[in-house]
Amino acid sequence: DAKTTQPPSMDCAEGRAANLPCNHSTISGNEYVYWYRQIHSQGPQYIIHGLKNNETNEMASLIITEDRKSSTLILPHATLRDTAVYYCIVRSLNSGNTPLVFGKGTRLSVIA
Amino acid sequence: DADVTQTPRNRITKTGKRIMLECSQTKGHDRMYWYRQDPGLGLRLIYYSFDVKDINKGEISDGYSVSRQAQAKFSLSLESAIPNQTALYFCATSDAGYSYEQYFGPGTRLTVT
Repeated sequence: DAKTTQPPSMDCAEGRAANLPCNHSTISGNEYVYWYRQIHSQGPQYIIHGLKNNETNEMASLIITEDRKSSTLILPHATLRDTAVYYCIVRSLNSGNTPLVFGKGTRLSVIA
Repeated sequence: DADVTQTPRNRITKTGKRIMLECSQTKGHDRMYWYRQDPGLGLRLIYYSFDVKDINKGEISDGYSVSRQAQAKFSLSLESAIPNQTALYFCATSDAGYSYEQYFGPGTRLTVT
């Protein structure tokens, strides 16, 4: 599975959009991009995933560049409860039975 | 009720003691996982199981063992606990579908003194 690179930390003002970047320059054609988040010491929570098209759900939007080498997770109106560590993970459907591998992620602090 | 439960939630034990962490799930998933998390670090995979008869080592299996007693239950054992096994332990489950969404339990905070 391709390696991902995320900034270690970011700040965002409450009510503003939080844009979390992820680089995955070695991603291959059959690899999906997944986002999870972990709110202080709780179990990680799935947010969204995508292959090449932009995706949106009730939690967030995922924007994947046309060359698929990077993506951005967007929380449209960040709240204090969105303060968490956000993990970007790349995984292939052809990885067979290998579990997700979590890196260090980006620590997002939403500031009042 | 929570879909993935872990017991105990907190445990303090002494070096050399045997300890078992238990995980139960009601999601009907075949796949179950144990991760550990150290302060400031991401999650590292200890063991995983894709069905009752399947056990696989993860990145950091040394010092740990697991038992998959049933589809819904996956236990992690530390045969002889040592202080550097002090960590937050998470159990997770997933189905075999392409979405590969993993559902995590609330975690067990283990301290080995």
